Amino acid sequence: QVQLQESGPGLVKPSQTLSLTCTVSGDSISNGGYYWSWIRHHPGEGLEWIGYIYYRGTTYYNTSLKSRVTISVDTSKNQFSLKLTSVTAADTAVYYCARNGRSRYCSGNTCRPYYVDYWGQGTLVTVSS
Amino acid sequence: QSSLTQPASVSGSPGQSITISCTGTNSDVGGHKYVSWYQHHPGKAPKLMIYEVSNRPSGVPDRFSGSKSGNAASLTISGLQAEDDADYYCSSYTNSSSPYVFGTGTKVTVL
Repeated sequence: QVQLQESGPGLVKPSQTLSLTCTVSGDSISNGGYYWSWIRHHPGEGLEWIGYIYYRGTTYYNTSLKSRVTISVDTSKNQFSLKLTSVTAADTAVYYCARNGRSRYCSGNTCRPYYVDYWGQGTLVTVSS
Repeated sequence: QSSLTQPASVSGSPGQSITISCTGTNSDVGGHKYVSWYQHHPGKAPKLMIYEVSNRPSGVPDRFSGSKSGNAASLTISGLQAEDDADYYCSSYTNSSSPYVFGTGTKVTVL
């Protein structure tokens, strides 16, 4: 059974950097075949995809966050991480790490996953001074 | 990008059937066969219930079924049980820069 667990500070000051790590068990990121995502849920709003990474390090980000987001992977620790810079109160949310299903939809030269098969339980990050 | 539209809440008694709708556009739900549904008990990890409109992952009871017509998808729970009391989110592949978009979420209450 694949399990994901988020970890990191629950409180971040405005203008600082939010850093979270996702530890994966039950699967090895380096086995390949999957994209590993970060998704967030703003209080009272919908879920928002932040970005994902492939085990080789290839990343894709939500264009609305691209200038502030970095996702990285450490296959030796079976972890992947999220950094979000210059945070504001609007970044207060529950942050989830997730594994995307193996299937992908291809359009032109781009193939992308289209669902999540395993999620972490999420961690609340509050941006406040 | 905009979220898919779901009713805020749906309720039913044990044993009854309920249906949750998920409305999008031609760029997401209407344009692709890649709708998925997730069950979320607060404080726990969300769980995949349906993918590719109507496919159930191993271990998901056949009480859960999915369908799609035009720009709208639906999740039906037949024979409602107490443990089905949870939040449900739909998601669809989208033509936008993000690979998928999520619904606004529906709170299912088992009376």
